[in-house]
Amino acid sequence: AQKITQTQPGMFVQEKEAVTLDCTYDTSDPSYGLFWYKQPSSGEMIFLIYQGSYDQQNATEGRYSLNFQKARKSANLVISASQLGDSAMYFCAMREGYAGNNRKLIWGLGTSLAVNP
Amino acid sequence: GAVVSQHPSRVICKSGTSVKIECRSLDFQATTMFWYRQFPKQSLMLMATSNEGSKATYEQGVEKDKFLINHASLTLSTLTVTSAHPEDSSFYICSARDQDRVQETQYFGPGTRLLVL
Repeated sequence: AQKITQTQPGMFVQEKEAVTLDCTYDTSDPSYGLFWYKQPSSGEMIFLIYQGSYDQQNATEGRYSLNFQKARKSANLVISASQLGDSAMYFCAMREGYAGNNRKLIWGLGTSLAVNP
Repeated sequence: GAVVSQHPSRVICKSGTSVKIECRSLDFQATTMFWYRQFPKQSLMLMATSNEGSKATYEQGVEKDKFLINHASLTLSTLTVTSAHPEDSSFYICSARDQDRVQETQYFGPGTRLLVL
């Protein structure tokens, strides 16, 4: 079973509107971290936002916020006021267990977001 | 902060030659770096975890003699694709873990596009 599921292969949004990219995860470990990355067509992976499993509040970074619903095991990324430069692939990833011991990330398949002018 | 460079950004080589890719953390120390491979329209595939001063840990199915990894310092890891063949053509991207941050975010280099003729 996939541990990170991104059910939206592609999404469209109108410029200046908000968009939600879905991510659900599966783990039995009480301690984990969730990450969102953006990959433009140039290929670089840009870190956007992090949510720890014990964090009490939803993470926010500028126009990015993470809608963390622990009971549902979902960590959706919300982008407010979309801009043309937001058009890219977006990946959700999870680190299981406590930080340390070189724990690797488990990646979702990604969502391609297109922002329309 | 948290800048990772990768060189070269693009390389074209003949079949049978070896190609070395460098990954550097510019403003932080990284005891752990990760090497990924990405095929078009797909997610990241972890190849190996590179640990400073010790042998790399390879993922199942990745030939360690084919993909040589050296992590000689806290800011530099190299991946050498030995005797490259056309099927090795891909996008290779490295990341470095910022050990001073609790969440252990992985910061990525810009990637290397390898084309083997």
